[in-house]
Amino acid sequence: SAVISQKPSRDICQRGTSLTIQCQVDSQVTMMFWYRQQPGQSLTLIATANQGSEATYESGFVIDKFPISRPNLTFSTLTVSNMSPEDSSIYLCSVGTFGGIQYFGAGTRLSVL
Amino acid sequence: AQKVTQAQTEISVVEKEDVTLDCVYETRDTTYYLFWYKQPPSGELVFLIRRNSFDEQNEISGRYSWNFQKSTSSFNFTITASQVVDSAVYFCALSEPYNTDKLIFGTGTRLQVFP
Repeated sequence: SAVISQKPSRDICQRGTSLTIQCQVDSQVTMMFWYRQQPGQSLTLIATANQGSEATYESGFVIDKFPISRPNLTFSTLTVSNMSPEDSSIYLCSVGTFGGIQYFGAGTRLSVL
Repeated sequence: AQKVTQAQTEISVVEKEDVTLDCVYETRDTTYYLFWYKQPPSGELVFLIRRNSFDEQNEISGRYSWNFQKSTSSFNFTITASQVVDSAVYFCALSEPYNTDKLIFGTGTRLQVFP
């Protein structure tokens, strides 16, 4: 398994601002993922963060709103830009391993006022 | 289409009761993986089990057991002698076709175990 540290654990932000979430892994991994979990809902994949290349976004998510960086094999960031109350969610990063098992960080609970 | 259905939105039991969480999936793949994750109130998803499509053996791990039946496209999860610490949301997930690194999650079942 992998140990994943995600920061911040929670934040309250004002409408129109941006927040950058960090995800640090204790070992080198190829696949990193970012998910959104709206209140009481399931997980929705935002994008796959690829080291050395652009992130691959899922339908309904765009780079301008959710820019992602992946500077090396142990770190990634997700920025939630120009926030609105609809962005209030838990944001989770995960790492992929052999056989498709994903290990998750503790999540970032974001509230937008 | 790929889909995971967890029809039970919420289940409440009293401690020491056995409880089964249902998971039904749809896939056009012949090779796929199924997973269960636990999300306690702290928010972190905890990996519980992975099962590949060619292995229909049931699995037991302590108080947890899983029943995989391809004939009914089900992968059910049973907790025996439930405890308060089992209270969490449980997600069933399926690997995407042609890309087993990506997962499709069900909507989750919230389990509340009362003392």
